Amino acid sequence: DVKVTQSSRYLVKRTGEKVFLECVQDMDHENMFWYRQDPGLGLRLIYFSYDVKMKEKGDIPEGYSVSREKKERFSLILESASTNQTSMYLCASSPGGNEQFFGPGTRLTVL
Amino acid sequence: GQNIDQPTEMTATEGAIVQINCTYQTSGFNGLFWYQQHAGEAPTFLSYNVLDGLEEKGRFSSFLSRSKGYSYLLLKELQMKDSASYLCAVSPGTYKYIFGTGTRLKVLA
Repeated sequence: DVKVTQSSRYLVKRTGEKVFLECVQDMDHENMFWYRQDPGLGLRLIYFSYDVKMKEKGDIPEGYSVSREKKERFSLILESASTNQTSMYLCASSPGGNEQFFGPGTRLTVL
Repeated sequence: GQNIDQPTEMTATEGAIVQINCTYQTSGFNGLFWYQQHAGEAPTFLSYNVLDGLEEKGRFSSFLSRSKGYSYLLLKELQMKDSASYLCAVSPGTYKYIFGTGTRLKVLA
C-alpha cells in the first residue's frame, strides 16, 4: 500500500513564525502536491513538484514556498505565518496523471 | 475560469441508492476523479473516468459525459459507513487537479 505521511497532525504557531510541514511518500512517485482545505472552498493547490528539485506554483502560492531535495520528501514552508494561513494542509503523491494518494493532513492553527 | 459544481449536502436512507452530480467547466480535460473523505481523514480515491460512459466498481459507479461537462457518482445499497464527503476533481492538464467543494452525504438508519 502507498503510504504518505505528514510530520504533524496538529500544529499551533504564532504569527510571524517560520513553519515547516514535512511530507514523505514511500512509493517512488514522481509527483507530489501540497493543498490546503478550508470549509466551503474545497481543496486548493498551493504547489506541486514533478521531479526532484522541480517545483511549480499552484493556484494559491502566495506566502508559501516548497522544497524537494529528495524524491520521497516534499516540504511546505510558511516563511512568516499569518492567521489567514490557519487551515488543514494535505500532502499528496501520484505516479503520473492518475489518482492521488493523500497523507492524513496537518491541522495548522496560527495565533 | 475553471469551475466544478456539486451539491453541498445530501441525505439518504440505509439500503437506498443515491446519485451525486458534478458539473465542470475547465480549460482542458485529462480525466475526472471521485474521492471519499470521512470527517477528519484524508481523501481516498474511488474512481476515474476519462472516456464517456459508466465505470462500475462494486457498490460504486461513476458516469461521465464530456460533451455535457457532467459526471455522477452512484452509490448502491447504502451503508452507514458511506456517510462522508464526496469530492469531484478534474484534471485540466498535466499535473493539474481542480477539486469541487465536496458533497456531504448523510446516511440515516
